[in-house]
Amino acid sequence: DAMVIQNPRYQVTQFGKPVTLSCSQTLNHNVMYWYQQKSSQAPKLLFHYYDKDFNNEADTPDNFQSRRPNTSFCFLDIRSPGLGDAAMYLCATSRDPAESGGEQFFGPGTRLTVL
Amino acid sequence: AQTVTQSQPEMSVQEAETVTLSCTYDTSENNYYLFWYKQPPSRQMILVIRQEAYKQQNATENRFSVNFQKAAKSFSLKISDSQLGDTAMYFCAFIFPSYNTDKLIFGTGTRLQVFP
Repeated sequence: DAMVIQNPRYQVTQFGKPVTLSCSQTLNHNVMYWYQQKSSQAPKLLFHYYDKDFNNEADTPDNFQSRRPNTSFCFLDIRSPGLGDAAMYLCATSRDPAESGGEQFFGPGTRLTVL
Repeated sequence: AQTVTQSQPEMSVQEAETVTLSCTYDTSENNYYLFWYKQPPSRQMILVIRQEAYKQQNATENRFSVNFQKAAKSFSLKISDSQLGDTAMYFCAFIFPSYNTDKLIFGTGTRLQVFP
């Protein structure tokens, strides 16, 4: 089945120790998104890629970076995690906006714990 | 600014009953989409139903239907014959397509508990 896969599902890191979360998709979608979701809150968009075109949200901290080496994979790098970065990180994809009708497909998320 | 408001943080319903979740939004756009997403505990978010703003007819997907009132900027979700598996957080979301992204604007969510 075509899907959005996130690894790992659970990640524990230490305060200040860099961490990378990964997302892959078999949907061949143009657009990939990273969201941060804290407990009982709505997902907050961090950034997205339209093909190789990177788009950062204005309020995304510099501590967060992203890479998209090819259509299928996208990575979220947190350079120096703080306690406030503990959250669920969701990856999502969508087709070309002209065709998608707005629907995004979400992965299961990676829950990040910062000790 | 585009905003989405869900005024019911939590709701509960008995199995087989009907429940309605409320959502209002604010936008000056005329062409947009509205969504209800479901996020079960520890499981991934999935699309429940979608409504195109230019369509007057309310969307329906099996037990799920919406009441879309464009002038009032209201988009409520009705779940009929509620099932235990409907227990989840429900997010109302809005999007207006731009040239390179479909940026979802989420409401704060309604936690729905279905009990036997």
